[in-house]
Amino acid sequence: GAVVSQHPSWVICKSGTSVKIECRSLDFQATTMFWYRQFPKQSLMLMATSNEGSKATYEQGVEKDKFLINHASLTLSTLTVTSAHPEDSSFYICSAGIAGRDTQYFGPGTRLTVL
Amino acid sequence: SQKIEQNSEALNIQEGKTATLTCNYTNYSPAYLQWYRQDPGRGPVFLLLIRENEKEKRKERLKVTFDTTLKQSLFHITASQPADSATYLCALDIRNDYKLSFGAGTTVTVRA
Repeated sequence: GAVVSQHPSWVICKSGTSVKIECRSLDFQATTMFWYRQFPKQSLMLMATSNEGSKATYEQGVEKDKFLINHASLTLSTLTVTSAHPEDSSFYICSAGIAGRDTQYFGPGTRLTVL
Repeated sequence: SQKIEQNSEALNIQEGKTATLTCNYTNYSPAYLQWYRQDPGRGPVFLLLIRENEKEKRKERLKVTFDTTLKQSLFHITASQPADSATYLCALDIRNDYKLSFGAGTTVTVRA
């Protein structure tokens, strides 16, 4: 149980375009979803936290107008990287949390490459 | 500022030996600490959670200890196998808001 999927698993786009990444909890309802970014040889850095039906909370230094998060239901959150640039190339990972539980369940990640 | 440090970037060990990884933190008193496994190009997988009132926790060949006085957690993989080769991350809820902060990870390579 507690499976989280991400789509796509990898994407290559041109500079200036927008890319949408989906995160789904497959067999449970996630009260909260988290979005992380991981650069090579570095650890995961939390970008934002989203709760279903409310606005996402962004970590310091993360541009909310560039990284749009929509949490439309208890099983789906999307991250849109707008006007992507090469420096946005990274591994984006989502996770889902269940109310009352301290652990998070992570998706497999999405590798974004911006040319 | 809060800091989470994992003792070494890489650890190479012989199959059958015990791997010991260290996670140190400063300027915080977390209610619990978690360990995750991450394989290349994949998301982290939860392994163990240990609370501040627990000294030790085990799961199969894994053992975690938590010393809140030293502000340190040790993660042991006993009878290691090549399949244990991965990066292991410790994580803390440093702001007590269910948001995790991760260490940089230790990459373990188990030689057959």
